[in-house]
Amino acid sequence: GNSVTQMEGPVTLSEEAFLTINCTYTATGYPSLFWYVQYPGEGLQLLLKATKADDKGSNKGFEATYRKETTSFHLEKGSVQVSDSAVYFCALHASGGSYIPTFGRGTSLIVHP
Amino acid sequence: DADVTQTPRNRITKTGKRIMLECSQTKGHDRMYWYRQDPGLGLRLIYYSFDVKDINKGEISDGYSVSRQAQAKFSLSLESAIPNQTALYFCATSVGFDPGEEETQYFGPGTRLLVL
Repeated sequence: GNSVTQMEGPVTLSEEAFLTINCTYTATGYPSLFWYVQYPGEGLQLLLKATKADDKGSNKGFEATYRKETTSFHLEKGSVQVSDSAVYFCALHASGGSYIPTFGRGTSLIVHP
Repeated sequence: DADVTQTPRNRITKTGKRIMLECSQTKGHDRMYWYRQDPGLGLRLIYYSFDVKDINKGEISDGYSVSRQAQAKFSLSLESAIPNQTALYFCATSVGFDPGEEETQYFGPGTRLLVL
């Protein structure tokens, strides 16, 4: 079956530090890959996505590249801000599967001033 | 106005009570989902519906039921609430499968449920 594995948190950084949150996946077919962000007290919202191998998704300074050879979709940001403090979820949607999404367990990011 | 709304936002109930959580959407999406979120466990799918006549169990459907009253409305019921159903519940929608289109999920703000 499909699965998504994320690095466990919390990840604690100082403002302007570099961020990497690892995400690897197992899927049948050719999945689309997503990063969602959940700010405190809110629902999840799409951060970025990539639909095929080697695509790079980007938004708000965050980037992730769809690596089929390593089955990974790591989230990166060059300089984090306090406002980036949130929980980040990696997810996939596999075209050859049951058409429902698979989410990782989420990684909490805490950014200190 | 928000595209996906949930009511109530917070609810405290007692063990054994029946409660209903409601979700409405104005996005015109066919697909709707109910998830629960627990610390350290991420999101787990309870039920999903691909159209008004289609209801499917998710990963953790025991103790829950749903009703799809219309394309825009999808309700989750706890028939007899128990303390381990204390969690944050999210409704979500997606446009529907179309080859070449990704299935982005759109989430409501959540309902925080406490079962005493």
